[in-house]
Amino acid sequence: ETGVTQTPRHLVMGMTNKKSLKCEQHLGHNAMYWYKQSAKKPLELMFVYNFKEQTENNSVPSRFSPECPNSSHLFLHLHTLQPEDSALYLCASSQGASGEGDTQYFGPGTRLTVL
Amino acid sequence: GESVGLHLPTLSVQEGDNSIINCAYSNSASDYFIWYKQESGKGPQFIIDIRSNMDKRQGQRVTVLLNKTVKHLSLQIAATQPGDSAVYFCAENKHDYKLSFGAGTTVTVRA
Repeated sequence: ETGVTQTPRHLVMGMTNKKSLKCEQHLGHNAMYWYKQSAKKPLELMFVYNFKEQTENNSVPSRFSPECPNSSHLFLHLHTLQPEDSALYLCASSQGASGEGDTQYFGPGTRLTVL
Repeated sequence: GESVGLHLPTLSVQEGDNSIINCAYSNSASDYFIWYKQESGKGPQFIIDIRSNMDKRQGQRVTVLLNKTVKHLSLQIAATQPGDSAVYFCAENKHDYKLSFGAGTTVTVRA
């Protein structure tokens, strides 16, 4: 266990559905991240929150909407997704702040399938 | 452009042998490097890291080597075990909290 949990672990949704992914970290970290992992491709950074403030939106479509109510919780709200959005969505956390040499610890991911 | 890449997408190793996984990076400003291991159905797991002021760092059965001259990073696993079968990623950090990941090398351990 890395101290980062994600729910649900698997999610199947239609293109008209609205769902949310949840991430929680128990490491006392201040930065949290969403990544997308597709087959045969490097991890793609989607969003970064540092001390609850969004500091990075890596040109992610608006059908993905992040929310960070506090330093321990991170959500990814999904609506009107496309089949190409099917992937493993990973949450990570790190100490944050200075960022230098900031090791990120990952959750187990949510396997999302969009029909 | 900036990239982090691994030399080989797959590596097959006999159990008990040593494994070497290579990674090339192109950004000379990178000052922190991490190796992650990802098993099937799990998220990436931190293995070992190294800062640019070091050439070598050892952990339990793993060693990371950094050659800044040729921008090369390697992970050595001693006495490879079946539990070492996984995808291995290198990642680089450039003075901020963002990591750039390579595509990964799939290591398969033969009994």
